[in-house]
Amino acid sequence: DADVTQTPRNRITKTGKRIMLECSQTKGHDRMYWYRQDPGLGLRLIYYSFDVKDINKGEISDGYSVSRQAQAKFSLSLESAIPNQTALYFCATRGPMNTEAFFGQGTRLTVV
Amino acid sequence: DAKTTQPNSMESNEEEPVHLPCNHSTISGTDYIHWYRQLPSQGPEYVIHGLTSNVNNRMASLAIAEDRKSSTLILHRATLRDAAVYYCILRDDLGTQGGSEKLVFGKGTKLTVNP
Repeated sequence: DADVTQTPRNRITKTGKRIMLECSQTKGHDRMYWYRQDPGLGLRLIYYSFDVKDINKGEISDGYSVSRQAQAKFSLSLESAIPNQTALYFCATRGPMNTEAFFGQGTRLTVV
Repeated sequence: DAKTTQPNSMESNEEEPVHLPCNHSTISGTDYIHWYRQLPSQGPEYVIHGLTSNVNNRMASLAIAEDRKSSTLILHRATLRDAAVYYCILRDDLGTQGGSEKLVFGKGTKLTVNP
């Protein structure tokens, strides 16, 4: 099993629809992250969480919300999807201090 | 967050060494230098990290300047599988919240490896 699993891997949705992207990890880590990647822009941080009671906004949180249902699960929601949210989304997790981060395989989201 | 500057792209030939530079002139004393790479159609993966001394692992070497304002990721013999975008990131790994806990990526360097 992968350390970080994202579902779905691909999704096409219509403008205005609500959509949830899910992420689960088997590393037992507290820290989890959501990023989006657009061509030529690298990865930009949307939200991050240090534990189930701690949620923090990243660089580009507008239009997104998250839920940390358990230590292992961190979901990203688009309440009303718009076309400029079309992107590749990555979830990541890492442990405390001086440890590497582990990334999922990504979710390719297209909003039409 | 302290920023890093990397060239947009670099090119190498297979089986030759590759030196990927990163400038981080505003690095603080507690920032670790981390490198990740992203292969096509995959999520980023960890490569190596260091604080002051040069570091080696099975994937690469990290050479850190004495003043820590720059570093170089060294791939000793590039293979076609090393073609990826390489990211240099600064992280405060002393457990302080905020700041580099956010794990902020720049645009990275796209490495092309020619056969």
